[in-house]
Amino acid sequence: KNQVEQSPQSLIILEGKNCTLQCNYTVSPFSNLRWYKQDTGRGPVSLTIMTFSENTKSNGRYTATLDADTKQSSLHITASQLSDSASYICVVTSGFNKFYFGSGTKLNVKP
Amino acid sequence: NAGVTQTPKFQVLKTGQSMTLQCAQDMNHEYMSWYRQDPGMGLRLIHYSVGAGITDQGEVPNGYNVSRSTTEDFPLRLLSAAPSQTSVYFCASSYSQDNNYGYTFGSGTRLTVV
Repeated sequence: KNQVEQSPQSLIILEGKNCTLQCNYTVSPFSNLRWYKQDTGRGPVSLTIMTFSENTKSNGRYTATLDADTKQSSLHITASQLSDSASYICVVTSGFNKFYFGSGTKLNVKP
Repeated sequence: NAGVTQTPKFQVLKTGQSMTLQCAQDMNHEYMSWYRQDPGMGLRLIHYSVGAGITDQGEVPNGYNVSRSTTEDFPLRLLSAAPSQTSVYFCASSYSQDNNYGYTFGSGTRLTVV
């Protein structure tokens, strides 16, 4: 069964600290993996996208990694800011147009 | 560009009522889709359209209808609202159907059916 599992479900960190969010998937065939950030009350916004051959992709303080062999991805946030408080959603594309969404990790950055 | 505009932002319906959630985009995107987001669950695809005049069902289409008469608009109709349709609904658009271009999401419609 094609699934995308994210962990942890929720996370609280202090401002300035780093954190890592996990995404494990069983989707096959794999086309690409994208991380979205969803602020409360808003639609998701794309952060990074990685294809099979890419191991790392950065977007400012966000760095995503992909291990296609173990079917794992992580999103690392460096020097967190209050504005990083949001839900982070992992989306895996299978084939051309089948998308599998994780249920998200809710990050709360406290001052 | 306004991006993807959804209206209304909030709506309360009584069981059995019908209504239309509006979605419009001004980016000339061919692909548009509707998702619902429930607590603890990922976004689930309701219906999608790959261009004007073409629509297809997603993962959870029952109880919803769509049409795509123009490239810009993709309304979602609830035929006879049920409490199980209480959810947050997101409209998304993209240049193409695959995830390589990324999706632009609207800000959502929070629907409560009582």
